[in-house]
Amino acid sequence: GAGVSQSPSNKVTEKGKDVELRCDPISGHTALYWYRQSLGQGLEFLIYFQGNSAPDKSGLPSDRFSAERTGGSVSTLTIQRTQQEDSAVYLCASSLLGGDSYNEQFFGPGTRLTVL
Amino acid sequence: AQKITQTQPGMFVQEKEAVTLDCTYDTSDQSYGLFWYKQPSSGEMIFLIYQGSYDEQNATEGRYSLNFQKARKSANLVISASQLGDSAMYFCAMREGYNQGGKLIFGQGTELSVKP
Repeated sequence: GAGVSQSPSNKVTEKGKDVELRCDPISGHTALYWYRQSLGQGLEFLIYFQGNSAPDKSGLPSDRFSAERTGGSVSTLTIQRTQQEDSAVYLCASSLLGGDSYNEQFFGPGTRLTVL
Repeated sequence: AQKITQTQPGMFVQEKEAVTLDCTYDTSDQSYGLFWYKQPSSGEMIFLIYQGSYDEQNATEGRYSLNFQKARKSANLVISASQLGDSAMYFCAMREGYNQGGKLIFGQGTELSVKP
């Protein structure tokens, strides 16, 4: 398809395990964003990529969270030693350009993470 | 401090009537953008409408219009002729000025229910 895709759609893990969430942005989109949506915190920004660089990581909640992007395309969000408070829907979005230009952000369907 | 405030957790509207969803924002930037997204129960985030801080006219997209009152820092979404399919969560979001990476700051959302 032509939209943003994310995998897996659902992930159940045990506390203390590591998880990897994947995002495939729309082809040609240089900007990629990760957000988290939880009942208590609403929609929160996590990290922004421009190409393979992450000029804004200010939303990552702890050093257990990391992300990378390769080839200016696919991005992986990794959560180490998961905690129950990490349970949320993780949303990825991409846009043609980032920075200060207006460009609509297209969102993927999200990955629902449940930490038991 | 809350940067985006949506004061209506839930709203009801009769089918075919118009409804206004409130959004106020707080920023010291002169350049910013305001967005509305719709999130149906399926979870996808659907872009509805955009208003730039320098745009003099209110944005319109089909049945959606944005009532932008810059001095009052409000950006209310107006949906005309409501349809059953409009039942969803609606999020107001802001992108702050230059060198902010384009990340979106979201409000807490308003759940709209359209009654037949």
